[in-house]
Amino acid sequence: DGGITQSPKYLFRKEGQNVTLSCEQNLNHDAMYWYRQDPGQGLRLIYYSQIVNDFQKGDIAEGYSVSREKKESFPLTVTSAQKNPTAFYLCASTPRDRGLVTFFGQGTRLTVV
Amino acid sequence: EDQVTQSPEALRLQEGESSSLNCSYTVSGLRGLFWYRQDPGKGPEFLFTLYSAGEEKEKERLKATLTKKESFLHITAPKPEDSATYLCAVRGPGNTGKLIFGQGTTLQVKP
Repeated sequence: DGGITQSPKYLFRKEGQNVTLSCEQNLNHDAMYWYRQDPGQGLRLIYYSQIVNDFQKGDIAEGYSVSREKKESFPLTVTSAQKNPTAFYLCASTPRDRGLVTFFGQGTRLTVV
Repeated sequence: EDQVTQSPEALRLQEGESSSLNCSYTVSGLRGLFWYRQDPGKGPEFLFTLYSAGEEKEKERLKATLTKKESFLHITAPKPEDSATYLCAVRGPGNTGKLIFGQGTTLQVKP
């Protein structure tokens, strides 16, 4: 089955700790994205990548970092510089065709303990 | 600045009671308006894409329409399984593929 796999589903972070969220897709999509979702707010773009070895900051990139070493993988690191990391994180990807529809993974819920 | 506003924030319907969700947008040159369904704790599931005013798309009990300033998601004779949060988004400027989302409408359908 083709799709976007995010892991883990739940993640707990201690103060001052860096954590990495995994995102893998087997859809052969070129572009990949990370969004953050908070209650009562729309999804907000953190980072995006349109080709391997290249990525750009989105609207709320501070305190986050990414890499794109392979087409299939786009991991997100939430660093200790992110002051309010508790949120639902969604990875997404977009093909070149199919009207540029963006498809989403099932999300990772990150909680600071 | 591109912006998307959805209303109402929450909607409660009885099973079979038809209604509409609204998505108002301001964007410099629409390059796609998207509707998604999101269940609690899950990622958004794609429903429809609309590109030009007057366009309509249907899927089961859902019908999406588009004007130059807003989109409606019409739900006909809803069932409890239609309960979810419905998200509206527009494609952002440039060639980034970025989506600009509204805050969503949470629909509850009671049997």
